[in-house]
Amino acid sequence: QVQVVESGGGLVKPGGSLRLSCAASGFSFSDFYFSWVRQAPGKRREWVSYISGSGTTIYYADSVKGRFTISRDNAKNSLYLQMNSLRVDDTAVYYCARRRDYGYYDVWGQGTTVTVSS
Amino acid sequence: DIQMTQSPSTLSASVGDRVTITCRASESIGTYLAWYQQKPGKAPQLLIYKASNLQIGVPSRFSGSGSVTEFTLTISRLQPEDFATYYCQQYNSYSGTFGPGTKVDI
Repeated sequence: QVQVVESGGGLVKPGGSLRLSCAASGFSFSDFYFSWVRQAPGKRREWVSYISGSGTTIYYADSVKGRFTISRDNAKNSLYLQMNSLRVDDTAVYYCARRRDYGYYDVWGQGTTVTVSS
Repeated sequence: DIQMTQSPSTLSASVGDRVTITCRASESIGTYLAWYQQKPGKAPQLLIYKASNLQIGVPSRFSGSGSVTEFTLTISRLQPEDFATYYCQQYNSYSGTFGPGTKVDI
C-alpha cells in the first residue's frame, strides 16, 4: 500500500527547533521528488520546500529560507524537515507529499501539527 | 506568486446533485492545475491533474475542465462520500499555490 506517515510535530516555544519525519512505504522512495506543504489555521495551504529523489535539488519558500532544512535518507525511505528559529506564524499542520511531474501531489500524509507558542 | 480563487466557498447540495466548483488563476497557468479532496482528519486525495486527467482510482463521476485562467471541477452525481472540502492547486510555477477551498456539505 502506497503511503506516507508524518511524525515529530508538537508544541515548541518561539525560537525553538523541531524535526519532522515522513516515513514512506509501498513504492520506490528514491524515484520521487517530495515536498513539505503546510496549512496554518484559517490560512491557505502553502508549499514549504521540495527535494529531488537524489537529494541534490532543493528549493524553499521565502518564508522559511535560512531557517528550515529539508533532507532525505533513501536507505530508510524517509524525508525530514529540520525547523529552526521557529516563529508563531510557523504554526500549522505540516504535510509530507509526493511530488509528480511539474508539481502536483499524488500521495499525501495525514499531517503532523506544529504549534509555536510561548 | 500566482493567486488562486475558488467559488463558491461553501456549497450545499443533496445526494444525486450535479455539482460544479470554479477555480480561477490570477495569470495564465496553461493546464497546470490539480484538484484535491480532503475530509476532516484525513490525508488529501488527488482527484484531477493537468486540468482534466482523472487520477487512477478516482470515480468517473469526477471530471475537470478548463485552461489558461479558468477551471471547473464537476461531480456528476453527488454521493454521500463526496461531502468534503475541495482545493485547486496551480503548478505552473515551482512553488505551486493553492485555492482557499470549497466545502461541499449537505
